[in-house]
Order: sequence, then C-alpha cells, then structure tokens
Amino acid sequence: QVQLQQWGAGLLKPSETLSLTCAVYGGSFSGYSWSWIRQPPGKGLEWIGEITHSGSTKYNPSLKSRVTISVDTSKNQFSLKLSSVTAADTAVYYCVRRTRGGSGNEDWFDPWGQGTLVTVSS
Amino acid sequence: SSELTQDPAVSVALGQTVRITCQGDSLRTYYASWYQQKPGQAPVLVIYGKNNRPSGIPDRFSGSSSGNTASLTITGAQAEDEADYYCNSRDSSGNHVVFGGGTKLTVL
Repeated sequence: QVQLQQWGAGLLKPSETLSLTCAVYGGSFSGYSWSWIRQPPGKGLEWIGEITHSGSTKYNPSLKSRVTISVDTSKNQFSLKLSSVTAADTAVYYCVRRTRGGSGNEDWFDPWGQGTLVTVSS
Repeated sequence: SSELTQDPAVSVALGQTVRITCQGDSLRTYYASWYQQKPGQAPVLVIYGKNNRPSGIPDRFSGSSSGNTASLTITGAQAEDEADYYCNSRDSSGNHVVFGGGTKLTVL
C-alpha cells in the first residue's frame, strides 16, 4: 500500500520561500503524477501543481510565477518550493498521487499525505 | 473563482438519500472524482471515473454524470457521512486541475 510522508518548515515570515518534501513508500514512482494541493484554514482545496517521474511539470496558472516542483527519483521523493510567501499562502499543504485512467478522461487523487500546516506571519 | 460549482451546504435525514452536485463545462468531457473530508483530516477519495469506489468505501456511495453536472449520491446516509465533500476534475483546457468549492453535508 502506497504511503506518502511529507515534511517541511511550518512557520515562515513574509517574503520567505516555502519548502516541503514528500517521500513515497510502498509503490511505484513511475506511471503517476505527483501533486501538491493546499487548503487555507476553513476554505476549500486548491491544486498547486504536479510533476511526473521524468520531471515534466504542470502548475496552477495563478501560482506559476512562484512555484517550483522538483523530483528525486533515486529517493522516490518530490518537493515543492513557493517563493515570496504572504499571509495568503497560510494553508495546510498536501502531497498527493494523481492517477490517470486508461480512457484519458478521468483522473483522481489518492493517496494523500498527512498534510503540513504552513503559517506565514511576521 | 472555481470552474466547478457546488452547493455550499446540504442536509439529509439519517437513513435517507442525498445527492451532492458539481457543475462545470469541463464535466461534459471529463469525469469528476469525489473526496470526503472530515475535520482535521486529509481528504479521502470516495468516487472516481464513471462510478468507481476505492477499496473500503461503502457501496452506499455512488457517482453519476449528465451533461455539465456530476453527482455524488449517498443512499441511506449514516451519521459518519457528515463531512465536507469536494469534486475535482480538469479545467476547460484539460491541462490543469480544479476543485469545486466544497459541500458541507449535515446528517440530521
């Protein structure tokens, strides 16, 4: 059973760079996209972006200028960097596996990491 | 603003059937997936594709789609089904991911 374990700094000051890493245990790293999704306190889910095992990335257009997602296939890990954070970036950040179905018109997120609360405050 | 629209809140009497809907143009092309989230927990996938349930999800959860609307139906809602539910699919371009704003389900 695939498990995702994530870690990173939980408290940042405005203008700093958020950095999180997610390790994948117990399953194949290839054949999937590896995503980051965030959830501000009391609000809904927002997709940040994703990366494949070969390093191909896609980003949410609203965050693209500040986001970098990278992968280390030797460790089955992927990472998120979000630059120039503000209080609006305060959220629980999740790493998640995205699977695409064979039909090409379906995909889903499962499993999810445990989540990391990142707070941006001066 | 989200490209997928959900009702903010829905309620259902214990044991009754409830439908949670998700609307968006991209749903004419792509299936939605559905997630249940309880307070303080990570979301859990409950339905994906045409109408598929991951292992461990009760069969009272089902999914359907018609036109630009995807639906999650809970047949015989239980107290433990009280949660927030999110739909997810691709955006109109097909290149990015979007989530609905979420529906808070209350079981009375």
